[in-house]
Amino acid sequence: ETGVTQSPTHLIKTRGQQVTLRCSSQSGHNTVSWYQQALGQGPQFIFQYYREEENGRGNFPPRFSGLQFPNYSSELNVNALELDDSALYLCASSWGAAGSIYFGEGSWLTVV
Amino acid sequence: SQQGEEDPQALSIQEGENATMNCSYKTSINNLQWYRQNSGRGLVHLILIRSNEREKHSGRLRVTLDTSKKSSSLLITASRAADTASYFCATGSDYKLSFGAGTTVTVRA
Repeated sequence: ETGVTQSPTHLIKTRGQQVTLRCSSQSGHNTVSWYQQALGQGPQFIFQYYREEENGRGNFPPRFSGLQFPNYSSELNVNALELDDSALYLCASSWGAAGSIYFGEGSWLTVV
Repeated sequence: SQQGEEDPQALSIQEGENATMNCSYKTSINNLQWYRQNSGRGLVHLILIRSNEREKHSGRLRVTLDTSKKSSSLLITASRAADTASYFCATGSDYKLSFGAGTTVTVRA
């Protein structure tokens, strides 16, 4: 086990709705990154948070947003869901941006 | 677009055989990492090789890196059923990892 926990594990949403995914990082880790993994593809970097500030963003539209809290847990919010947002969303934590990275088990999102 | 590309896309081997998969990447790197993913679950870090290293071992895993060819290989020796998974190479800067599409390995009993 990596110590990174994500919730929920599975959820189904309707196109146009909004979703919030949650991540608790490994104890002592101050950096959280989020990745989207479509079926049959490798993970794609969404963004990273370091000490509650966004610290880099991938090629995702603004309707993908995030938060990191003082306890270093994190949320990923996606507004105006589209069918192509159906994917496994992975959270990864580390100590600092260049530290060893530990992934959670992911949240499966299905948009119908 | 993805930085790394794994080859082959899929690999089926008999238990006890060796499995080799390759990764090619496009830009200069500081290091390259290999991850395993079981059936759509989280990624498990296997090994990191730095740009000044040519070969690295971890248990039954052997990773090579050829920076002149921008390629890496992962060898799993004496494969087991539990090695059935998808394997990804990843390169990246301090905060962003770029993954290939992965190699799906099936180990037959």
